[in-house]
Amino acid sequence: EDQVTQSPEALRLQEGESSSLNCSYTVSGLRGLFWYRQDPGKGPEFLFTLYSAGEEKEKERLKATLTKKESFLHITAPKPEDSATYLCAVQGERGGSNYKLTFGKGTLLTVNP
Amino acid sequence: DTAVSQTPKYLVTQMGNDKSIKCEQNLGHDTMYWYKQDSKKFLKIMFSYNNKELIINETVPNRFSPKSPDKAHLNLHINSLELGDSAVYFCASSQVLDWPPSPLHFGNGTRLTVT
Repeated sequence: EDQVTQSPEALRLQEGESSSLNCSYTVSGLRGLFWYRQDPGKGPEFLFTLYSAGEEKEKERLKATLTKKESFLHITAPKPEDSATYLCAVQGERGGSNYKLTFGKGTLLTVNP
Repeated sequence: DTAVSQTPKYLVTQMGNDKSIKCEQNLGHDTMYWYKQDSKKFLKIMFSYNNKELIINETVPNRFSPKSPDKAHLNLHINSLELGDSAVYFCASSQVLDWPPSPLHFGNGTRLTVT
């Protein structure tokens, strides 16, 4: 069964203080690893897809990287508006797995001004 | 121009009642999903439909019955509601391809409270 573990559960940063969120995964044949952002009262919003180890994607202050066992979401010089829950999810190759994403429990990021 | 919309946004009801949640997507996707997010914010898949065909049914009680009248709509009917059903239910859609794997696009959720 596909599994995703995210750490830390919660992270509090000062504005401008860079840090990283971790996503460790176990999947039978990774088709893709996805990062989402979720604001309170809203649905998850898609950020990135990573397909293979060594791949990196960037969007504004966020950069996602992927190895064979984990992914990191690096946040450079965060602003208060980056405060949200960041979710990691994987899609595997087992039968039917390409019809679902398995999510981690998320990291609640708070950026103080 | 909402991509995935769910109604209602809030649903408060008593134990034993039957309720429905509706979902519609205008993205032209062929696959739709129901996910449940519990009080600890853990998102777990319940059902997946591809072109109106049930693909995934993840150990969900029989009281939950999805229905897809067409590929743009996926509704969720819940019978005999229990306290443990209280959660936020998210509808999502995607275009499932052989490659590349597609992200899911989520609605803003329906917060169900059973009293």
